[in-house]
Amino acid sequence: GVTQSPTHLIKTRGQQVTLRCSSQSGHNTVSWYQQALGQGPQFIFQYYREEENGRGNFPPRFSGLQFPNDSSELNVNALELDDSALYLCASGNLRGGQGAPANEKLFFGSGTQLSVL
Amino acid sequence: EDKVVQSPLSLVVHEGDTVTLNCSYEVTNFRSLLWYKQEKKAPTFLFMLTSSGIEKKSGRLSSILDKKELFSILNITATQTGDSAVYLCGMDSNYQLIWGAGTKLIIKP
Repeated sequence: GVTQSPTHLIKTRGQQVTLRCSSQSGHNTVSWYQQALGQGPQFIFQYYREEENGRGNFPPRFSGLQFPNDSSELNVNALELDDSALYLCASGNLRGGQGAPANEKLFFGSGTQLSVL
Repeated sequence: EDKVVQSPLSLVVHEGDTVTLNCSYEVTNFRSLLWYKQEKKAPTFLFMLTSSGIEKKSGRLSSILDKKELFSILNITATQTGDSAVYLCGMDSNYQLIWGAGTKLIIKP
């Protein structure tokens, strides 16, 4: 399955944070989402074979890495109070040719609950 | 701008009732529509729909997509308390994965 660490994290405004995700073996994509309380997940970005291949409406202080060993990271710099949320990662496979790629079923982790004070 | 809108945002029914959850979307490059169930934190997969008019079923759950009218419905028959959850509708579109706000479903015994 997909695992995330840590499960909970408390930071102060202005700090930097790294969240980690271990994808299901054999998957070639990982996507990251921010989910505020009572809202749906907001797409941050997706990585495909270690390169960013899609990004939502998030500022550059949100960055990521995908490694060849099924692990990935979400880094957030200069934390703001509004960054407090559940951060979910999901892994899967991208199918289809260039120009028309499509995601297969996504497998989500249980998330990291980030609180910024 | 691509977007997904779910309705209702919340729904309370009694055990045994049938519910219909709605999802409408606007998208530039449709790849698929996704339904997930979120009980605590990790959303779990229900359906992926790519073709219009073909109903997908899994036990008491079913879903259908209308690509002409740009909506999908998720039906749950003979609801049980274990169906209580947030149901998320999402869209795979143009290198983005966009999700609605979810429908919070509460099943009363």
